Amino acid sequence: EPEVTQTPSHQVTQMGQEVILRCVPISNHLYFYWYRQILGQKVEFLVSFYNNEISEKSEIFDDQFSVERPDGSNFTLKIRSTKLEDSAMYFCASSEATSGDAYEQYFGPGTRLTVT
Amino acid sequence: AQKITQTQPGMFVQEKEAVTLDCTYDTSDPSYGLFWYKQPSSGEMIFLIYQGSYDQQNATEGRYSLNFQKARKSANLVISASQLGDSAMYFCAMRGYSQNTPLVFGKGTRLSVIA
Repeated sequence: EPEVTQTPSHQVTQMGQEVILRCVPISNHLYFYWYRQILGQKVEFLVSFYNNEISEKSEIFDDQFSVERPDGSNFTLKIRSTKLEDSAMYFCASSEATSGDAYEQYFGPGTRLTVT
Repeated sequence: AQKITQTQPGMFVQEKEAVTLDCTYDTSDPSYGLFWYKQPSSGEMIFLIYQGSYDQQNATEGRYSLNFQKARKSANLVISASQLGDSAMYFCAMRGYSQNTPLVFGKGTRLSVIA
């Protein structure tokens, strides 16, 4: 069964450093998402991406964040200068479509980011 | 704006018994979808069940069923014949039918199944 993959599973970085979280969505999916979950809290939407551009972003997704689909298969989330409060689990998700029937979003296993 | 409320931070259930996890929602969208996800201690998000706002019948997937009461804006998850492996966090989520609307999650309920 196809699945969303994410690398690395765990990333430790120092405050102020740049990190890139990588995701490979399911191959025939068209819509991509990043969510984050601070430890013990609910999952929060960061950004959605379609047709090589951002479709929607939350207030969390400020200028420190960027997303890219560099090569047609990978989908990356970059945090330019990490802060302690960026420590969280980051989930990538993809779906075939989003309008009409509410298609399921398939989640990857997550990347746990720890900022020290 | 959409909002999901899960009022039970933790629940206990005896193995083989049924359990209901509560979820209420609020939205101004005329059409929407409701989802339940399971998050075991390993951290991944596992899709369990989906209910469309116009679906006439309650969704079922194996031991999972969704008790959808549209007038009350509730979408409770019922797990029948609980198993020890059901111990996990459970998140209710929703999204509108408009293009690219993201999922909005509740705070989750931690279910513990007791042998």
